[in-house]
Amino acid sequence: SQQGEEDPQALSIQEGENATMNCSYKTSINNLQWYRQNSGRGLVHLILIRSNEREKHSGRLRVTLDTSKKSSSLLITASRAADTASYFCATTDTDNYGQNFVFGPGTRLSVLP
Amino acid sequence: EAGVVQSPRYKIIEKKQPVAFWCNPISGHNTLYWYLQNLGQGPELLIRYENEEAVDDSQLPKDRFSAERLKGVDSTLKIQPAELGDSAVYLCASSDRDRPSWQFFGPGTRLTVL
Repeated sequence: SQQGEEDPQALSIQEGENATMNCSYKTSINNLQWYRQNSGRGLVHLILIRSNEREKHSGRLRVTLDTSKKSSSLLITASRAADTASYFCATTDTDNYGQNFVFGPGTRLSVLP
Repeated sequence: EAGVVQSPRYKIIEKKQPVAFWCNPISGHNTLYWYLQNLGQGPELLIRYENEEAVDDSQLPKDRFSAERLKGVDSTLKIQPAELGDSAVYLCASSDRDRPSWQFFGPGTRLTVL
């Protein structure tokens, strides 16, 4: 069974708008990561946030983590058509530090030109 | 630096036939993972290798699935016999011991069982 649950399942926005995706999880974690998957391709690592961090930035990406609510959000600012992809959160729990990932079902983002 | 290589990219077989997937991880990565990804879902771990040792195969359906990583480098995942429900994308990933949380994924093998 999958621990992470992304919300929404699908999101469609116009180019230039911001996109926000959320991830909820169930157990205590060591870190949480976001991955992007373009259609028919493998997953690409975007950003990792550790359990003792609350916010991280990488270019147009901003990730927040609220361990009290067991949730994370991924914000993509000034979206581009090339951001169209599925986005997954993955967690590693305290029993399998840095090892086994548990992925959510993903959010399918469509950025319309 | 070459990424994770997988072959074939696509495979179509009839049910009850055997099938094998191959993965070559990033050079120097000691940990190798095989994942199963169903349509519209996230990847699910099948097996994890540390060098040549399978350290977690609890999610591998051992009645029909097998895997090996004999020399601790490339790996093969086999299904025999394949069933209709095995149609999915099979992803391979690798990571190194310095950054075990950072997994690099291959493009996957899309299996269709008819």
